[in-house]
Amino acid sequence: DIQMTQSPSSLSASVGDRLTITCQASQDITKFLNWYQHKPGTAPKLLIYDTSKLDTGVPSRFSGSGSGTHFTFTINSLQPEDLATYYCQQYDNLPPTFGGGTKVEIK
Amino acid sequence: QVQLQQWAAGLLKPSETLSVTCAVYGGYFSGYYWSWVRQPPGKGLEWIGDINHYGVTNYNPSLKSRVTISVDTSKKQFSLSLTSVTAADTAIYYCARALERGLLGQWGQGTLVTVSS
Repeated sequence: DIQMTQSPSSLSASVGDRLTITCQASQDITKFLNWYQHKPGTAPKLLIYDTSKLDTGVPSRFSGSGSGTHFTFTINSLQPEDLATYYCQQYDNLPPTFGGGTKVEIK
Repeated sequence: QVQLQQWAAGLLKPSETLSVTCAVYGGYFSGYYWSWVRQPPGKGLEWIGDINHYGVTNYNPSLKSRVTISVDTSKKQFSLSLTSVTAADTAIYYCARALERGLLGQWGQGTLVTVSS
């Protein structure tokens, strides 16, 4: 299985801050990297697919970049409703695998 | 707007069989991979497997010996069966719709299944 290493595991930031999460794949996954937002008690939500494409209705303050084995996820101007855990996930190889998650807290 | 609604027996004893069903409302049933993902308490997400409307399945090798995913296209439902459960199978189980295998665009609300003697 492809291992996805996500960092940091948690972070605290203020409203309006820019934050970045990184995800490292154990082998080349080209562009097949997704980012999900998971709020407690709700279903995970797809935010970004294929490294950098925003899913329908996702605010433009969310963005993604990278290729191969190294990927980043950025929230520009953090909002209170962005409190959640964020997961990267590869789907280049079966089985699809997730990173360990990054819990984002608001200061 | 597609909606996925799921249900399951919430409490099982070790060695019993877990069963979760997901109903799809709205949208097409064909052309997608109907998937299952789980999240043990305090842990991350694990892809269990999927099925298309033809009934072709793919399973996570870590669970393959115990997992069966089935589909009923007439009812627009798909189901997960996991045999010989242990406490390690305690988790929130999610159903999801994938346009491409692993690209999980829409999710059900999740169902907590607890395995305890």
